[in-house]
Amino acid sequence: ETGVTQTPRHLVMGMTNKKSLKCEQHLGHNAMYWYKQSAKKPLELMFVYSLEERVENNSVPSRFSPECPNSSHLFLHLHTLQPEDSALYLCASSQDTSGYKSEQYFGPGTRLTVT
Amino acid sequence: GDSVTQMEGPVTLSEEAFLTINCTYTATGYPSLFWYVQYPGEGLQLLLKATKADDKGSNKGFEATYRKETTSFHLEKGSVQVSDSAVYFCALSPRGGGSQGNLIFGKGTKLSVKP
Repeated sequence: ETGVTQTPRHLVMGMTNKKSLKCEQHLGHNAMYWYKQSAKKPLELMFVYSLEERVENNSVPSRFSPECPNSSHLFLHLHTLQPEDSALYLCASSQDTSGYKSEQYFGPGTRLTVT
Repeated sequence: GDSVTQMEGPVTLSEEAFLTINCTYTATGYPSLFWYVQYPGEGLQLLLKATKADDKGSNKGFEATYRKETTSFHLEKGSVQVSDSAVYFCALSPRGGGSQGNLIFGKGTKLSVKP
């Protein structure tokens, strides 16, 4: 595998379910990100991890819980979601979090549908 | 706060037509600017970037010039192909203070190229 991979690619879950999204980067990067992409809205940054420490949490509801066990893996644990949480969830990684020097590499996303 | 505004789509062009997608930004200081492209069913890919005023980013026939005086970073291509059909996102990364590693995206412009 190369680049950034995400599993599953598609997920349908009920509002009472608990599920997890997985992201893995094979680029040797130190920073990883979760984004939410909804129709007709800009991409929303949800979480940023740098060297496995969370450095950014953009007021995301507690029903989304990230986990970064090491610099190559990032999870997003989901529980008691709402239908408006249906979206494409994108994972990205970068060499560091300097932003202006370090472009981000994106995975293909997980299409989540909450019923 | 910092923001990115790009032209609403969708944009429909015939093959070999000239493409311009407008992007303007609001930011304090001197952000870095990016264009990302998202092909159907895939994640975002970095298309080109510019890190300082008057820089020109280019890739795959696409170009964009960082214009500080007009706070713009318009994407252009002289002759589009059907394979260029995708959604294009303009983004900025603030410098200095603010969020670490944060990319601020526009809403995206969908381009459809007809044969």
